[in-house]
Amino acid sequence: SQTIHQWPATLVQPVGSPLSLECTVEGTSNPNLYWYRQAAGRGLQLLFYSVGIGQISSEVPQNLSASRPQDRQFILSSKKLLLSDSGFYLCAWSVSGSWAGELFFGEGSRLTVL
Amino acid sequence: AQSVTQLGSHVSVSEGALVLLRCNYSSSVPPYLFWYVQYPNQGLQLLLKYTSAATLVKGINDFEAEFKKSETSFHLTKPSAHMSDAAEYFCAVRNTGNQFYFGTGTSLTVIP
Repeated sequence: SQTIHQWPATLVQPVGSPLSLECTVEGTSNPNLYWYRQAAGRGLQLLFYSVGIGQISSEVPQNLSASRPQDRQFILSSKKLLLSDSGFYLCAWSVSGSWAGELFFGEGSRLTVL
Repeated sequence: AQSVTQLGSHVSVSEGALVLLRCNYSSSVPPYLFWYVQYPNQGLQLLLKYTSAATLVKGINDFEAEFKKSETSFHLTKPSAHMSDAAEYFCAVRNTGNQFYFGTGTSLTVIP
């Protein structure tokens, strides 16, 4: 069966420090991969999605970047964190080529920028 | 562009009462629609999905939703609320470009 792992679960970082959140998927090949951010009291904002290695689409220009160095690995990064980067970050995947398929989510990473 | 709107950011129901969470979509083509549930500090879990087969979709834990094209709606219902249903619920739409867009969520409180 497929599983998705996301880490770290909790992170407290000072303003201006770098960020790296990792996500890996097991049990499937060539998944579509996604990063969402959920700010307090708000919905889910799609940040990045990827349909293959090295292929990253950005939904919202901001202080973050994403990379997909391997088929089932998706990384969210920042060189210098802002206070507004605080939030709950969710990695997700869907089956490639399945137009009606759903998203499968990781457990999330809570980032607090102080 | 495709989007979903969830009416009511907070809904309270008594235990045993009907649950109704509203979702309206905006789409130029027949959409794929989903309802997810999120418990505190966790990821989202799929409740049910509409993929242009039956308009009445049954999901887990006795939840169901009806796709109504004339009303552009996909409301979520459950006949009898349980305390364990207290959570955040999200409606989502998938476009043909692999993107999924979510509503702002509805927080459900169940009153004993």
